[in-house]
Amino acid sequence: SQTIHQWPATLVQPVGSPLSLECTVEGTSNPNLYWYRQAAGRGLQLLFYSVGIGQISSEVPQNLSASRPQDRQFILSSKKLLLSDSGFYLCAWMKPTEAFFGQGTRLTVV
Amino acid sequence: AQKITQTQPGMFVQEKEAVTLDCTYDTSDQSYGLFWYKQPSSGEMIFLIYQGSYDEQNATEGRYSLNFQKARKSANLVISASQLGDSAMYFCAMSLRRAGSYQLTFGKGTKLSVIP
Repeated sequence: SQTIHQWPATLVQPVGSPLSLECTVEGTSNPNLYWYRQAAGRGLQLLFYSVGIGQISSEVPQNLSASRPQDRQFILSSKKLLLSDSGFYLCAWMKPTEAFFGQGTRLTVV
Repeated sequence: AQKITQTQPGMFVQEKEAVTLDCTYDTSDQSYGLFWYKQPSSGEMIFLIYQGSYDEQNATEGRYSLNFQKARKSANLVISASQLGDSAMYFCAMSLRRAGSYQLTFGKGTKLSVIP
């Protein structure tokens, strides 16, 4: 069966520090992978998606970047965090009729 | 532009009663998918139900059913026999095929509270 792992679960980082969130998928090959952000009490905003190794599409210009170094690995990064980067980050894997989410990372930038 | 609208920020329902959560969508695509997710306070997104645009019958999954009215572009979620554990945020989402991938667009959500 397909599973998706995301870590860490929570993170408190100072402004200006770097960020690296990792997501890995098991049980499938060449998945479409996604990073979403959810601000407190809001819906999900698509940040990046990837259809294959090294292929990244950005939906929203921002302080963040994404990379896909391996088929089943998707990384969200920042060189210098801003206060506005705080939120709940979710990695997702999607097929035509199914979309699976990781457990999420609650990021607080202080 | 693709859009999902959930007009109910919050809903209350008595335990064991049925409740309908509203969702309307806007797209010019002929092929699309509609999803409902439950998000408890822990934050995880739990898949509930899926409806394809070409599916003629309404989707059902246990106590969840999706009332799909294509002409009205609505995809309401019906939860029968509400339970206390149903209290959570509920998100409607639409998937469209774009540039070799599927784009999932979410509504702003409805917070459901089940009253004992």
